[in-house]
Amino acid sequence: GAGVSQSPSNKVTEKGKDVELRCDPISGHTALYWYRQSLGQGLEFLIYFQGNSAPDKSGLPSDRFSAERTGGSVSTLTIQRTQQEDSAVYLCASSTTSGGANTGELFFGEGSRLTVL
Amino acid sequence: AQSVTQLDSQVPVFEEAPVELRCNYSSSVSVYLFWYVQYPNQGLQLLLKYLSGSTLVKGINGFEAEFNKSQTSFHLRKPSVHISDTAEYFCAVSDPGAGSYQLTFGKGTKLSVIP
Repeated sequence: GAGVSQSPSNKVTEKGKDVELRCDPISGHTALYWYRQSLGQGLEFLIYFQGNSAPDKSGLPSDRFSAERTGGSVSTLTIQRTQQEDSAVYLCASSTTSGGANTGELFFGEGSRLTVL
Repeated sequence: AQSVTQLDSQVPVFEEAPVELRCNYSSSVSVYLFWYVQYPNQGLQLLLKYLSGSTLVKGINGFEAEFNKSQTSFHLRKPSVHISDTAEYFCAVSDPGAGSYQLTFGKGTKLSVIP
């Protein structure tokens, strides 16, 4: 597709279960980001992938959160032993570079809304 | 670390009236600045950006923003709003000197246009 694709669009799970959220970035975009959007909290940076470099995991809130990016394309965000405070919209974005520098212009997917009961 | 402050969480405005959404950022070093818009149940899309050059930046849908380095501000304006402008608006900053790859977002301003 032409844009960033995320699945599932909605996920309801029980506390303690594991969930996987998927992101398919725009073809050719080397950078991929995960953000979390909670009500009234704006966007919280979670993790960043750039090409083959080690990911920047500085925003992951706990060791229950992990993400991988296979083959420099599709990414999966995994949340283990989900808690109610994990309920949020998880947004994926991708970007490209210009002249070797990432200008910071992100292209967002529509998000995966996670509800933990 | 950068921080972004959007002073107004909600802004109601009548249709065809002007609007200004305020944004201040924390650092005085060279930065890239962005405004994104999020319509209900959609992802964010870029409205406009400032990387360098003219401090007045024009974006889509008639929006513009002015970069003011001395006041560390990047306020968003539109001279006459439409019902379709009802959405949440996010200001964001990145620091090219630190690699520029991570955007820091404000908490958003919900613009409600009243008929």
